[in-house]
Amino acid sequence: GAVVSQHPSRVICKSGTSVKIECRSLDFQATTMFWYRQFPKQSLMLMATSNEGSKATYEQGVEKDKFLINHASLTLSTLTVTSAHPEDSSFYICSARPSQGQMNTEAFFGQGTRLTVV
Amino acid sequence: SQQGEEDPQALSIQEGENATMNCSYKTSINNLQWYRQNSGRGLVHLILIRSNEREKHSGRLRVTLDTSKKSSSLLITASRAADTASYFCATPSALNSGNTPLVFGKGTRLSVIA
Repeated sequence: GAVVSQHPSRVICKSGTSVKIECRSLDFQATTMFWYRQFPKQSLMLMATSNEGSKATYEQGVEKDKFLINHASLTLSTLTVTSAHPEDSSFYICSARPSQGQMNTEAFFGQGTRLTVV
Repeated sequence: SQQGEEDPQALSIQEGENATMNCSYKTSINNLQWYRQNSGRGLVHLILIRSNEREKHSGRLRVTLDTSKKSSSLLITASRAADTASYFCATPSALNSGNTPLVFGKGTRLSVIA
C-alpha cells in the first residue's frame, strides 16, 4: 500500500526554539496533506490542510504564525512549530491521499512525531 | 471538531474473546473508516465501508453501518494480545469532495489480556 513517511519520530527542544516536521508521500503524489495533533489518550484533531503551491488552510483556533506549513512539492509538506512552548508538546501526525484519490478511498498516515518542549 | 462518539472509551477482554466497539456520527457521509493506533504510533487503516453498504468483513474484522441511526460498529473476533491498541472511526468532513480531511471519533482503547 501507499506509504507516508514522517520525520523525525521524536524531538526534544528548548522553549523558544523552532522545530520542523517533514511529511513525505513516498510512492504517490499528494496535492493536499493534512496535519493533526493528538494529546495523550485523546483523539486526533485536525490542525490544518496543506495545499501544494498555495497557502495552507487552518482550523479555527490554530495559529498560522505559530504552526507554519509549507507544501513546496507534490510529495512533501512541512510543519514548523515556531517559538515552541511546553504547551506545544504533543503528538503530531500527517496524512495524505493520492492526488487522484476519489471520495471512497483510505487515507495514509505518517508515523507521527512526538514533540517535547522543555 | 469531532464527528461523534465512540463507546466504550476503554475495553478490557481476555484473549480469544470478541471485542465490539461502537461509533456514532452526526452528519451525512459517503463512507466511514476504522483505524487502529498502537501507543505512540501512527494510524493504520483497517477497513472502509461505504454509505450504501451495511456490513463488511476483513479477516477477523467485521464492520456494520447503519446510516439511519448514524452509527457503526467494529467487531474483532477471537482477539489476540497483539490487538491491544486504540481504535478510531473516522468520516470525511465533507460530502462530494475527493480530498477532504477525516474527522475522528474519540476512540476506544482496547486491552486484550493473554
